[in-house]
Amino acid sequence: AQTVTQSQPEMSVQEAETVTLSCTYDTSESDYYLFWYKQPPSRQMILVIRQEAYKQQNATENRFSVNFQKAAKSFSLKISDSQLGDAAMYFCAYRGGGTSYGKLTFGQGTILTVHP
Amino acid sequence: DSGVTQTPKHLITATGQRVTLRCSPRSGDLSVYWYQQSLDQGLQFLIQYYNGEERAKGNILERFSAQQFPDLHSELNLSSLELGDSALYFCASSVGRGGGPTYNEQFFGPGTRLTVL
Repeated sequence: AQTVTQSQPEMSVQEAETVTLSCTYDTSESDYYLFWYKQPPSRQMILVIRQEAYKQQNATENRFSVNFQKAAKSFSLKISDSQLGDAAMYFCAYRGGGTSYGKLTFGQGTILTVHP
Repeated sequence: DSGVTQTPKHLITATGQRVTLRCSPRSGDLSVYWYQQSLDQGLQFLIQYYNGEERAKGNILERFSAQQFPDLHSELNLSSLELGDSALYFCASSVGRGGGPTYNEQFFGPGTRLTVL
């Protein structure tokens, strides 16, 4: 079974600074997707960024980028120019490309605090 | 707004009771996923339906059941409720069957907060 591990229960960053959230995963599949979701205090799940395992290039969405190390099974999220609105719980998630039928497997989450 | 609706937003009930959570997927989406978010278990996948049929099962208790109706809305039934069932229950929908090489984003609803007293 696939597992996703986020080893940082909490992180903090100053406004306008950069922060990196860590995620590792375990899988025997070669095709899969990785995601970062944001859950603000409203509890809504918001997709931040997606990475396809077959793509070597790291995904980028505005101030959000990932460092995808397939061999190391590592998938970190970098938030640049942090803003107060980035404060939230962040979940790393895995979706298999085979017979997993699209279910998402989530890590434990990292609470990000942004200080003004 | 993801386009996925869930009712009710909040539900407070007693141990031993039965409740039904409802989800309406985005227009055109055929897959519905249910997830549970609790302090003990984190966020975990419960069950998926595609076009009315059960497609995948996760860590769903036998006391829980779900179905997807012809109009594609889904209901999650929780019975013989225990204190540990208190959680946020999310529904998500996607256009495709899920899995395989084709990526179909899952859009999450706002969740139903269940409190069992």
